[in-house]
Amino acid sequence: ETGVTQTPRHLVMGMTNKKSLKCEQHLGHNAMYWYKQSAKKPLELMFVYSLEERVENNSVPSRFSPECPNSSHLFLHLHTLQPEDSALYLCASSQDLTPNYGYTFGSGTRLTVV
Amino acid sequence: GENVEQHPSTLSVQEGDSAVIKCTYSDSASNYFPWYKQELGKRPQLIIDIRSNVGEKKDQRIAVTLNKTAKHFSLHITETQPEDSAVYFCAAVSSGSARQLTFGSGTQLTVLP
Repeated sequence: ETGVTQTPRHLVMGMTNKKSLKCEQHLGHNAMYWYKQSAKKPLELMFVYSLEERVENNSVPSRFSPECPNSSHLFLHLHTLQPEDSALYLCASSQDLTPNYGYTFGSGTRLTVV
Repeated sequence: GENVEQHPSTLSVQEGDSAVIKCTYSDSASNYFPWYKQELGKRPQLIIDIRSNVGEKKDQRIAVTLNKTAKHFSLHITETQPEDSAVYFCAAVSSGSARQLTFGSGTQLTVLP
């Protein structure tokens, strides 16, 4: 266990459902990230939080809504998703916004939208 | 913003041979270049990184080289083993205000026994 835990590991949801992904880190890091990983595509940065403040939103559709209640927890709220949103959603953390020691990733949530 | 290109997308080598994966980046101010390994169904894990003040770094069978003038960096794996089979991602971070990692598209490495 690397210290970044994501739940659930797998999620199947209909296009009208509302669900949330959870990420928790026990590393004392101050920055947390959501990435989307689709087949044969680069990791796509979705959101960046530093000390619970959102510092980056890479033109992500509003059907994805992040929440960072404290520096250890990060959520991604999902509603009215589309089938093309099916992907692996990875959470990561770093000591701060200067990633000179790389990111620590969680195991991801495999999302399937039906 | 930063743009990272990675080649090849797939690579097959015989066990014991060497493997080389190459990446180019666009932002000349980039100063940190990590490499991640992602085994099937698992999380990406940092395996080696290099900063712009050095040209080469080695860690056992893994080495990374950086050519700042040409804006490219490479991962070298020697004496490959079946457990090296995975997807490898390069990344770069710029020195600008938006200091996040931009990832390459990944290389699927298969080491044939």
